Amino acid sequence: SQQGEEDPQALSIQEGENATMNCSYKTSINNLQWYRQNSGRGLVHLILIRSNEREKHSGRLRVTLDTSKKSSSLLITASRAADTASYFCATWDKIIFGKGTRLHILP
Amino acid sequence: NAGVTQTPKFQVLKTGQSMTLQCAQDMNHEYMSWYRQDPGMGLRLIHYSVGAGITDQGEVPHGYNVSRSTTEDFPLRLLSAAPSQTSVYFCASCDKSSYNSPLHFGNGTRLTVT
Repeated sequence: SQQGEEDPQALSIQEGENATMNCSYKTSINNLQWYRQNSGRGLVHLILIRSNEREKHSGRLRVTLDTSKKSSSLLITASRAADTASYFCATWDKIIFGKGTRLHILP
Repeated sequence: NAGVTQTPKFQVLKTGQSMTLQCAQDMNHEYMSWYRQDPGMGLRLIHYSVGAGITDQGEVPHGYNVSRSTTEDFPLRLLSAAPSQTSVYFCASCDKSSYNSPLHFGNGTRLTVT
């Protein structure tokens, strides 16, 4: 069973546009984390939001958390070609990932 | 710091062979875990450990054994490799004493079983 489920599975946008991806989870959490994976590499931590936080910013990243709906969203503003990657969410307990969102930035 | 180091980077096995995938971290993290990643499947948790001497099963533990004799090392053993175990394997660690600690990943081991 997967604790984090990302949506959409794939997303293509033009460079400069904003990209939004969502994550749903099943049980109560201490925090939720977002990771990026470039092709063939290990995952890199992007941002963590605690269960008592509703929104968090880091550079061009904005994460929201709605614990009542058990969902989170990751917004990447002013996308760049280098943002092309897969994005995963994970919750704290037994750290289980979903299938990710494959983001492709078109030039 | 080297972070999380996985060896080997690539491995080809024949069905029935055994091998050990090595994982070491130098960050004194208590929590370590192994994932496998297959196309379109995301990362699936194989086994994890919350400290030396303690291991537990993840989502897909069958066919794999682990041990945690030291804080630094968390090897993953395939006792009798099968083609279904062809995958990319990632090791990760974190400081679970802090709820705000992220996972640190190794660069993966690409395993092919023929």
